[in-house]
Amino acid sequence: AQRVTQPEKLLSVFKGAPVELKCNYSYSGSPELFWYVQYSRQRLQLLLRHISRESIKGFTADLNKGETSFHLKKPFAQEEDSAMYYCALYNFNKFYFGSGTKLNVKP
Amino acid sequence: ETGVTQSPTHLIKTRGQQVTLRCSSQSGHNTVSWYQQALGQGPQFIFQYYREEENGRGNFPPRFSGLQFPNYSSELNVNALELDDSALYLCASSLEAAGGSADTQYFGPGTRLTVL
Repeated sequence: AQRVTQPEKLLSVFKGAPVELKCNYSYSGSPELFWYVQYSRQRLQLLLRHISRESIKGFTADLNKGETSFHLKKPFAQEEDSAMYYCALYNFNKFYFGSGTKLNVKP
Repeated sequence: ETGVTQSPTHLIKTRGQQVTLRCSSQSGHNTVSWYQQALGQGPQFIFQYYREEENGRGNFPPRFSGLQFPNYSSELNVNALELDDSALYLCASSLEAAGGSADTQYFGPGTRLTVL
């Protein structure tokens, strides 16, 4: 069965520090993977998707099929990055979301 | 371009009752997905509708059902409510071809359902 795991519930870093939010998935085929973000008092919104291979707000994520991972990275965290981040997998018209990681960027 | 809206914002029901939640998709979006999000958890996929037909379903019992209408609105119906159905219910619309890749989902603000 497909599964998305985000091992960290909370990640606290200082402003300017690198950040990596971990996401591991279980799926044997070629998954479509996404990162969604929810800022305080805002709706859940797409941050990036692996097939577009783009960088949004300085975030990147590389799909590693060997390690079945799709970690989200940013070299220098900003306070406005503080939010809830969800990794998600799409397969055969179904979405699977992880339980989320709360990123707290301290000044 | 208007965003995704959901109604009502909050709802309180008692165990055994039935509830209907509503969602208005972004104009032109032919696909709507519904999610259940319990406190402290990620969204759990309930089902997806494409052009008024259910084309994907998560691990939810048949008492969770839905409808999608030609005017881009949709409904989530839950029968025989249980205490564990208390959660935030999210809908998300997208423009997607049947069986194709997932396009960007645009989420609504959610409906908070409390079952007593």
